This record gives sequence, structure tokens and C-alpha cells, in this order.
Amino acid sequence: EVQLVESGGGLVQPGGSLRLSCAASGFTFSSYSMNWVRQAPGKGLEWVSYISSSSSTIYYADSVKGRFTISRDNAKNSLYLQMNSLRAEDTAVYYCARDLRLLDYWGQGTLVTVSS
Amino acid sequence: EIVMTQSPATLSVSPGERATLSCRASQSVSSNLAWYQQKPGQAPRLLIYGASTRATGIPARFSGSGSGTEFTLTISSLQSEDFAVYYCQQYNNWPLYTFGQGTKLEIK
Repeated sequence: EVQLVESGGGLVQPGGSLRLSCAASGFTFSSYSMNWVRQAPGKGLEWVSYISSSSSTIYYADSVKGRFTISRDNAKNSLYLQMNSLRAEDTAVYYCARDLRLLDYWGQGTLVTVSS
Repeated sequence: EIVMTQSPATLSVSPGERATLSCRASQSVSSNLAWYQQKPGQAPRLLIYGASTRATGIPARFSGSGSGTEFTLTISSLQSEDFAVYYCQQYNNWPLYTFGQGTKLEIK
């Protein structure tokens, strides 16, 4: 069974940093590209970032470019999102999602709150 | 950026009736369109991909149609568990995915 479990969310002040993790199991993690998608409270879904299986190709949404960094460790079956210079508008539930040229499996999400 | 627009924002339907949800793309996405269902406090679940192919385990009462810029999700006979928010998503511009703003399907 495919499982994706996010962690690392919490309360952080504006301008602060946070690192999210996503632990994958139930599939060959190193064979799949992965994504981060976020959802602000009461709002819709926003794609954040993509990383290919070998980490050779990475994309970011314009809203996070230059502040967020996606990475992965295939030996640990883990995906990461380093978030710097956080803003109030980054407050959201962050989901990791497996990529099959669409998003076929999602984790349950981790909440990031940016507030003073 | 491809903008996805869903209508209506909220749809009130009685159990057992048919629900029809719409999604429009700002430019052609061919058949590279997916639908997701999201219930409160849960992650989105893939329902339909390729505009009309049901994902694994999705009941036959869910069907998708359309191509190019106009798409429809139809739920033929609403069950209590179908009341949720539904999102369309284009992947024609993979992996720069964009989602519609969602349609909330509520009990009438």
C-alpha cells in the first residue's frame, strides 16, 4: 500500500524557516518524481514544487521561487521542502504527492502557520 | 499559466439525484485533465484522469467527459459519501500543474 507521511509543520514567525519531510513507503520511491502542493485555510489547491526521480529536474511555482528548496534522499525514501523567508501567505497545509504526470497519491498533509 | 475555472462554486443536490460539475481551461489542455475529491480534513483523492478514465477503485457513478477547454464531471446518483469539494486540474503543462478553485457539492 502506498503511504506518504508528512512532518515538520508548525508555527513560525514571518521571515523564519522550516523544513518539511515526507516519508514514502509501499512503492519504489527512487522511480517516481514527487511534488509538494499546498492549501491555505479554506482555500483551493496550489502546486508548489516538483522534483524528478534523480533530482536532475526541479521546478517551483513563482510564488515560492528563490525562497523554497525541494530535495530528496532516495536511500531514505524521503522528500523534503526547505522553506525560508516565510510569509503570512505561506500559511497552509502542505501535501506531498506522487507524480505520474498527474498526482495519484497524496499524504495527509502537515500544517504550516506563519504568524507573529 | 493555464487558468482553470470551475462552476458553480457551490452545487446543492439531493441524494439520489445527478450532479454535473463544470471546468474550463483558459487554453486547450487536450485530454490532460484530472478530477479530485476532497472531504473535510482529508487529502485530495484522484477520481478521473485523461478527462474520462476512472482511477482505481472509483465507482462507476462517477464519469468525466470533455476535451480541449471544456470538461464535465458527472455523478449519476449521489450517495451521502459523495458530498465533498471537487477540483479539476490540468497536467497538459506538466509538471506546472494548475487547479480550479473547486466546486463544493452540498446536500439539498
